[in-house]
Amino acid sequence: SAVISQKPSRDICQRGTSLTIQCQVDSQVTMMFWYRQQPGQSLTLIATANQGSEATYESGFVIDKFPISRPNLTFSTLTVSNMSPEDSSIYLCSVGQHTEAFFGQGTRLTVV
Amino acid sequence: QQQVKQSPQSLIVQKGGISIINCAYENTAFDYFPWYQQFPGKGPALLIAIRPDVSEKKEGRFTISFNKSAKQFSLHIMDSQPGDSATYFCAARPASNTGKLIFGQGTTLQVKP
Repeated sequence: SAVISQKPSRDICQRGTSLTIQCQVDSQVTMMFWYRQQPGQSLTLIATANQGSEATYESGFVIDKFPISRPNLTFSTLTVSNMSPEDSSIYLCSVGQHTEAFFGQGTRLTVV
Repeated sequence: QQQVKQSPQSLIVQKGGISIINCAYENTAFDYFPWYQQFPGKGPALLIAIRPDVSEKKEGRFTISFNKSAKQFSLHIMDSQPGDSATYFCAARPASNTGKLIFGQGTTLQVKP
């Protein structure tokens, strides 16, 4: 299975600021995904990070709020922009490998 | 709308007992149904998965039962142990996408010693 590293593992940020989360995979993967897990809730897909093209966003998520980069087949970043307390969540990077999906340990974000 | 409904929300089982978590889906275009286990502070870990052409899959103490006609699938944990205490998520993958997953709401399992 793919090994996925996310940085930072947690952060406390002031409202109105932005945070960039990094996701590094130990092998080349075609598909990378970003999920959000609000406190005590399930996982919701934010977007699919496509290498060499713009990310594909799910309904309710927009590029201005969650810009994503995918410069190569092993790395992606998610930025949470102009944060508010409602953005306090765990953000998870996921990769699709063969038929399975694997997750990083997540970034726990608290916005104060 | 693509949805996966999971129940119960929480479950308490005695050590050695059987834990059963159920999921139902509404979209017949799903082609892959994984279960994930998540411990506090950790990302979800793939536990076991099944495809719709199979009615049952067993891996150790974990079994998935799949009922295609009823659009339901369930996770059975046999001989439940305190170390199984975690949150479990079912998920479904749209056939048109190789990685995107639709998750159920999650079940918090507590196994009492």
